[in-house]
Amino acid sequence: DGGITQSPKYLFRKEGQNVTLSCEQNLNHDAMYWYRQDPGQGLRLIYYSQIVNDFQKGDIAEGYSVSREKKESFPLTVTSAQKNPTAFYLCASRRTPGQNPGNTEAFFGQGTRLTVV
Amino acid sequence: QKEVEQDPGPLSVPEGAIVSLNCTYSNSAFQYFMWYRQYSRKGPELLMYTYSSGNKEDGRFTAQVDKSSKYISLFIRDSQPSDSATYLCAFTYGGATNKLIFGTGTLLAVQP
Repeated sequence: DGGITQSPKYLFRKEGQNVTLSCEQNLNHDAMYWYRQDPGQGLRLIYYSQIVNDFQKGDIAEGYSVSREKKESFPLTVTSAQKNPTAFYLCASRRTPGQNPGNTEAFFGQGTRLTVV
Repeated sequence: QKEVEQDPGPLSVPEGAIVSLNCTYSNSAFQYFMWYRQYSRKGPELLMYTYSSGNKEDGRFTAQVDKSSKYISLFIRDSQPSDSATYLCAFTYGGATNKLIFGTGTLLAVQP
């Protein structure tokens, strides 16, 4: 079955530690995204990648880092510089519109809930 | 000014009611307009998308876009308890830019 998989579902981090959230897709999508969701804040874009070895900062990139070494994988590292990392993190992928923008639905994983303890 | 503003809710309506969900946006470069539905503790799922001003219907759902006013709406007719979820408007650009921007979401509860 094609889809997008995030792991782990729940993650606990001690203050001052870096943690890495995994996101894998087998949909052959070029574009991948990381969003953070807090209560009442909707989805805020952290980073996005349009192609392998390329990624762009979103609106709230400070304290986060990403890599895109493979088309299928777009891991997110939450660094100790992120002062308030407790949140629900969502990864998404989407095919590049190209010449036929049409319906380029973004498919989401089931999310990772990160808690700082 | 925020790039996207969404009516915050929450909304609570009786079963069978017509629901109206609304977003405004400031970026004229947005060309594609979407509505996503998110159930609790799950990832969002695409409900409807459109790229032109006017109305688009899909069953009980109608998406409305007014590009001149930079305003989009989602109407739900004959609302059902299973429609209870958070609804998110989303926007993206044409061409090669893949940036995808979401509103803050409106929590809807349909009471049986």
